[in-house]
Amino acid sequence: DTAVSQTPKYLVTQMGNDKSIKCEQNLGHDTMYWYKQDSKKFLKIMFSYNNKELIINETVPNRFSPKSPDKAHLNLHINSLELGDSAVYFCASSPGTGRSYEQYFGPGTRLTVT
Amino acid sequence: AQSVTQPDIHITVSEGASLELRCNYSYGATPYLFWYVQSPGQGLQLLLKYFSGDTLVQGIKGFEAEFKRSQSSFNLRKPSVHWSDAAEYFCAVNAGNMLTFGGGTRLMVKP
Repeated sequence: DTAVSQTPKYLVTQMGNDKSIKCEQNLGHDTMYWYKQDSKKFLKIMFSYNNKELIINETVPNRFSPKSPDKAHLNLHINSLELGDSAVYFCASSPGTGRSYEQYFGPGTRLTVT
Repeated sequence: AQSVTQPDIHITVSEGASLELRCNYSYGATPYLFWYVQSPGQGLQLLLKYFSGDTLVQGIKGFEAEFKRSQSSFNLRKPSVHWSDAAEYFCAVNAGNMLTFGGGTRLMVKP
């Protein structure tokens, strides 16, 4: 029944490693997002995909590469992890790209880089 | 560029007391406004949203919010707080397919 799911829930890794976070939504939505929540709880958009096409890339370092194999999935791959990448990453989805659409969030993935 | 300010970082209220969380936004066009709640270790859940029409909107869990264009505000209210309302609350504006969030207000509820 989970609408937006993310795996893993926790991820602990060392600097320099490469890791991926997976997101899946079963709502039939066309648009998916990645947000980053830092240690002060500040939330910021990273990427947005609509029908598998990238539509927003908010000046995120190119070590971060989203991939959308289909409309229901949006994965986030991070290369050469840095300490500053430690955060909670949220996936979200919405029916479309209109401003009135609400976004449904996943439970988050807490990434800790040591 | 759009922005959202939540002036109160922390608020503590007694159980049963009323609650008002403040939100101010800056956006050049008609704002599409949202309130989300984040319980500890959880994702964000939508409480309510405003697009147009009646400026007082009702949401889930007994919350309501009032849009005041003249004050650029969208404050969240609840007449009687329950201990389970303790959480982080985020106000957001959708300005073109992405949500811009305020910094959040942490609500603590005293028994």
